[in-house]
Amino acid sequence: NAGVMQNPRHLVRRRGQEARLRCSPMKGHSHVYWYRQLPEEGLKFMVYLQKENIIDESGMPKERFSAEFPKEGPSILRIQQVVRGDSAAYFCASSPSAHPNTEAFFGQGTRLTVV
Amino acid sequence: SQELEQSPQSLIVQEGKNLTINCTSSKTLYGLYWYKQKYGEGLIFLMMLQKGGEEKSHEKITAKLDEKKQQSSLHITASQPSHAGIYLCGAVRGSQGNLIFGKGTKLSVKP
Repeated sequence: NAGVMQNPRHLVRRRGQEARLRCSPMKGHSHVYWYRQLPEEGLKFMVYLQKENIIDESGMPKERFSAEFPKEGPSILRIQQVVRGDSAAYFCASSPSAHPNTEAFFGQGTRLTVV
Repeated sequence: SQELEQSPQSLIVQEGKNLTINCTSSKTLYGLYWYKQKYGEGLIFLMMLQKGGEEKSHEKITAKLDEKKQQSSLHITASQPSHAGIYLCGAVRGSQGNLIFGKGTKLSVKP
């Protein structure tokens, strides 16, 4: 059973371009959480999705950021018109059901660098 | 202020020594997760605690959630270089169960 798969592992974008980060949850997991880790800061929650639905996006910036988790395929975190401040490590986690009663497993992350 | 405070922020120990990392919450904890992160890598799930007084062990790592459910400690016995990394505690927040995290404790183990 493969773990949570994120790709790409590293992504370099110029200011103004779009970044697409993909997350395939563990088999049997239908709950996906996205987090952002800025240098010298902790992990911050961004968005929680179940298949085809956004459940909680309270941690996601209102502009330029969007997320989806289609019926088929991976969850996508999309950042439009990237700026230098978007440079960070983005992690997704998956679980078979909602917290707090289940273990949540993280992917290796995507490290976004905006130049 | 940070809702989850970890202490110490960093720790250097000699191989073979025991150590303890603490995670203190300003609110009651309903689920406490411990993860380990190596630089440039993802988070490795260590343990999840839910009940006050609960204690779990995995190899040489033991974690406990205190009775009042506002603090957790992670104890490593006879530390090894492989234990080096950043230890993160996470707590359930939000009605949908998203996690908030402490800033982490960076552990270095000197051979």
